[in-house]
Amino acid sequence: DIQMTQSPSSMSVSLGDTVTITCRASQDVGIYVNWFQQKPGKSPRRMIYRATNLADGVPSRFSGSRSGSDYSLTISSLESEDVADYHCLQYDEYPYTFGAGTKLELK
Amino acid sequence: QVQLQQSGAELVKPGTSVKLSCKASGYTFTSNHMNWIKQTTGQGLEWIGIINPGSGGTSYNVKFKGKATLTVDKSSSTAFMQLSSLTPEDSAVYYCARDGYGGPDYWGQGVMVTVSS
Repeated sequence: DIQMTQSPSSMSVSLGDTVTITCRASQDVGIYVNWFQQKPGKSPRRMIYRATNLADGVPSRFSGSRSGSDYSLTISSLESEDVADYHCLQYDEYPYTFGAGTKLELK
Repeated sequence: QVQLQQSGAELVKPGTSVKLSCKASGYTFTSNHMNWIKQTTGQGLEWIGIINPGSGGTSYNVKFKGKATLTVDKSSSTAFMQLSSLTPEDSAVYYCARDGYGGPDYWGQGVMVTVSS
């Protein structure tokens, strides 16, 4: 199975920060990486698809990038509503696999 | 708008089975595969498998083969997942998620399954 190594596992942040979360794929997954946001008691919400594409309705302060097997989610000018858990997912091949998640917490 | 409505929370006894449902609306049910995903505090998100509602064809994570069985009822646009021989390790929140352009997109609200005697 493809492993998605996500870092950091948690991050203490301040409003207005620029935050970057990274997933490293254990083998080539091309552009087939999504990023999800999840708030307590809610379902995951897709934020980025195909590594770099902003999902419908997602604020433009979110962006996705790829460098080789490293995939990043960046949040510019963090707002309070962005404090949540974030998960990456590779869907290049079955079984789809998720990163372990990143929890953003306010300082 | 696309909606996936899952069935309610389940409290079940060890060794029994449970069948979860996911009713789709707002799109053509047979046009998109449906994923099922498990979430626990300790293991995070795990992909269980996927079903093609048009053909009934499935693909499972090896970890869940024999544990989960995916089916659909096209007439009601509903996907089902049966979990068998339940143990406390199966206690989790289970999601269905449509497989759209760009992988899983819309998710159901999740259903909590608690396995306890």
